[in-house]
Amino acid sequence: GAGVSQSPSNKVTEKGKDVELRCDPISGHTALYWYRQSLGQGLEFLIYFQGNSAPDKSGLPSDRFSAERTGGSVSTLTIQRTQQEDSAVYLCASSLQRGEETQYFGPGTRLLVL
Amino acid sequence: GENVEQHPSTLSVQEGDSAVIKCTYSDSASNYFPWYKQELGKGPQLIIDIRSNVGEKKDQRIAVTLNKTAKHFSLHITETQPEDSAVYFCAAKKVAGNQFYFGTGTSLTVIP
Repeated sequence: GAGVSQSPSNKVTEKGKDVELRCDPISGHTALYWYRQSLGQGLEFLIYFQGNSAPDKSGLPSDRFSAERTGGSVSTLTIQRTQQEDSAVYLCASSLQRGEETQYFGPGTRLLVL
Repeated sequence: GENVEQHPSTLSVQEGDSAVIKCTYSDSASNYFPWYKQELGKGPQLIIDIRSNVGEKKDQRIAVTLNKTAKHFSLHITETQPEDSAVYFCAAKKVAGNQFYFGTGTSLTVIP
């Protein structure tokens, strides 16, 4: 079946511009995570959505970062006024439900801020 | 919060040899420990996991061991093959929590 998809696969932008990254989770998965992976580093938790509950935003690094999940499915991560340190791979993962720990990751969006 | 440390950062082994990657965690409330394999240009993929009520779990050539007292867990790959070459990440999570805490990854190279 279809896995987690992310778009775009690559994004190059200029410092100060806004970017939107999209994640399509596996159909029926109620839990959705966003992570940031910097070069040579582990995965840094950004935000977690579970069904209709308020998202856990505790990992967002600054108020330039925001995310929403419409209709409990597709999610968009927005970075405003991008900085060079925002350059990284942004990964999305979904799981069937809270308490079901198996996460399925998308291929990621590689963001480069010039 | 939780702090997960992973060693080594790089590992090279001859094909057919075993590879061992170790992780330590700081929060004794963590009770779920997955391992992920990430190939170049792809997202991480779960390869094996273990919960704190179990000391060891095996799946063909892959095994994971957990020492709750010492707060460390390890990934063991036997009879390594070139296709095992990838970056491996460990993680820790509390069942009641939302966050997974990841190690910094181990780049494994299996030399044919």
